Amino acid sequence: DAGVTQSPTHLIKTRGQQVTLRCSPKSGHDTVSWYQQALGQGPQFIFQYYEEEERQRGNFPDRFSGHQFPNYSSELNVNALLLGDSALYLCASSYTGVGSYNEQFFGPGTRLTVL
Amino acid sequence: AQSVSQHNHHVILSEAASLELGCNYSYGGTVNLFWYVQYPGQHLQLLLKYFSGDPLVKGIKGFEAEFIKSKFSFNLRKPSVQWSDTAEYFCAVNGGATNKLIFGTGTLLAVQP
Repeated sequence: DAGVTQSPTHLIKTRGQQVTLRCSPKSGHDTVSWYQQALGQGPQFIFQYYEEEERQRGNFPDRFSGHQFPNYSSELNVNALLLGDSALYLCASSYTGVGSYNEQFFGPGTRLTVL
Repeated sequence: AQSVSQHNHHVILSEAASLELGCNYSYGGTVNLFWYVQYPGQHLQLLLKYFSGDPLVKGIKGFEAEFIKSKFSFNLRKPSVQWSDTAEYFCAVNGGATNKLIFGTGTLLAVQP
């Protein structure tokens, strides 16, 4: 059973560019959450997708957007990159359903460097 | 505001020493509590979780944590650490209708052989 997968593993971009990160959830999971982990910090919640809609959003600007596909996979898009967007971007999947505790499983992350 | 505090930012122990990492949270309503571990070069893994019931929960690799509701705490413990426990440990909380996780800033544990 494959866990949560993310691509790419590393990415280097320059300021002002746009980036797309991808995530495939664990088998049987229908909910995907995205987190940003800056160096030396804990992960910060960006947003969560369920049934192809953004269900909740953290304190991130509109430059951060996402999408969930019918197969539950997800993309995170960041426009107009800033130096401060350099971080590890984590995807977490979970199952939203009766009896679930919404336990989240994390992928290995995408390391984004903005120059 | 919802928050998680981890007061120990960097802990250095010798092998066989006992470990206790502090975690306090601020969250209204029913909470679910988690400890995640991030070994060097690896992704976040769930160490243990508390949803309800017995406030003393046991996780993988000999770790345990105790939920003390009156103190809003969920401290992580291990009686005897090993060199392989060197990692960063994150406390997290969620609750209510959403499962958005709120993380603490993490504690970097270094175990010296």
